[in-house]
Amino acid sequence: AQSVTQLGSHVSVSEGALVLLRCNYSSSVPPYLFWYVQYPNQGLQLLLKYTSAATLVKGINGFEAEFKKSETSFHLTKPSAHMSDAAEYFCAVSDPGSSNTGKLIFGQGTTLQVKP
Amino acid sequence: ETGVTQSPTHLIKTRGQQVTLRCSSQSGHNTVSWYQQALGQGPQFIFQYYREEENGRGNFPPRFSGLQFPNYSSELNVNALELDDSALYLCASSRGGLISGNTIYFGEGSWLTVV
Repeated sequence: AQSVTQLGSHVSVSEGALVLLRCNYSSSVPPYLFWYVQYPNQGLQLLLKYTSAATLVKGINGFEAEFKKSETSFHLTKPSAHMSDAAEYFCAVSDPGSSNTGKLIFGQGTTLQVKP
Repeated sequence: ETGVTQSPTHLIKTRGQQVTLRCSSQSGHNTVSWYQQALGQGPQFIFQYYREEENGRGNFPPRFSGLQFPNYSSELNVNALELDDSALYLCASSRGGLISGNTIYFGEGSWLTVV
């Protein structure tokens, strides 16, 4: 069965500092991987996705993530944090071979706090 | 703006009652899925509809049911509400059908409180 682990339920960085949000997955087959952001009282917005093309994926708002099969990881990074990046971030995985194409397995989420 | 709209945005129900939540998919999207997000948790997959039929379900009891209409809009119905059903319910749509990897777009959700 697939699963996702997000290390660190809360991450706090200073404005302008590097953002690193960690995600590890467990899957019997190479999965598709996604990062979503959720602002307070809102739905989920896709930041980026990996679907077996380039292992370094660039997303919106300056975020990027690198798929590392050997480490079963898909960590999210941003070189310089902005106050507007404060939100909840979710890593998710899907099974490329499944007919449940609308099914994502989500991690528990990481709350990013950005301090002035 | 994802093009996925949900209604109502907030509602309060009493334990034992029934609730219907509605979702309008993004234009051209033929697959809709529903998720339950409890406070402080990640979303949990409830089920998926493609061509008006349920073709995938998560670990939710039968009192959670749904419909997809010819225009690809959808409903989530929950019978015999329990206090633990209090959560944000998210609708998501994609154009992939049975081809995975397509982007899944989420609505802003319906907040359900069961008292």
